[in-house]
Amino acid sequence: KAGVTQTPRYLIKTRGQQVTLSCSPISGHRSVSWYQQTPGQGLQFLFEYFSETQRNKGNFPGRFSGRQFSNSRSEMNVSTLELGDSALYLCASSSDRLGGAFFGQGTRLTVV
Amino acid sequence: DAKTTQPTSMDCAEGRAANLPCNHSTISGNEYVYWYRQIHSQGPQYIIHGLKNNETNEMASLIITEDRKSSTLILPHATLRDTAVYYCIVRAPSNDYKLSFGAGTTVTVRA
Repeated sequence: KAGVTQTPRYLIKTRGQQVTLSCSPISGHRSVSWYQQTPGQGLQFLFEYFSETQRNKGNFPGRFSGRQFSNSRSEMNVSTLELGDSALYLCASSSDRLGGAFFGQGTRLTVV
Repeated sequence: DAKTTQPTSMDCAEGRAANLPCNHSTISGNEYVYWYRQIHSQGPQYIIHGLKNNETNEMASLIITEDRKSSTLILPHATLRDTAVYYCIVRAPSNDYKLSFGAGTTVTVRA
């Protein structure tokens, strides 16, 4: 089975721009979660989608948004980028709420 | 949500068992203990989880005390590739089983 695939792997954006990151979950997994990882704050939960509906949300500003498509693929969008948004963005998929979540390799976003 | 406490770091010798402790003294009866690890620059990797009973899989064993206030992750024969940050996480139905990562334990396996 193919693992969780995140694209792109690396991205450099300018402050004020917006960015869209993509995540393809493991086949058959309907839950997709997003995390932000920075050296200072560690791994922080952004949001979770299940069957195209946002099921859970972390404490991030409205500039961070996401969606899930009918094939379970998910995208997250960050608008009006700030320098502090530079981070590793990780996506995880699972078959159900209690299943082990399987993570992708992440997208390394650098805002300059 | 139940909080977890883990040592900041620990070393272990290659080939020996690595025992990683986790304290979760405020855990409720319907909350699960999960373990993940993250090798440098990679996404976290699921290891194992349990509710009350001890669990074992091809990667590790999870020992949960009878009162459920603490647990130990056991890597039976540590290798250099097991060097990673290990996270003990309590997942609760009260917050939709959200995975909340703490600082974890940095485990260094030495030859």
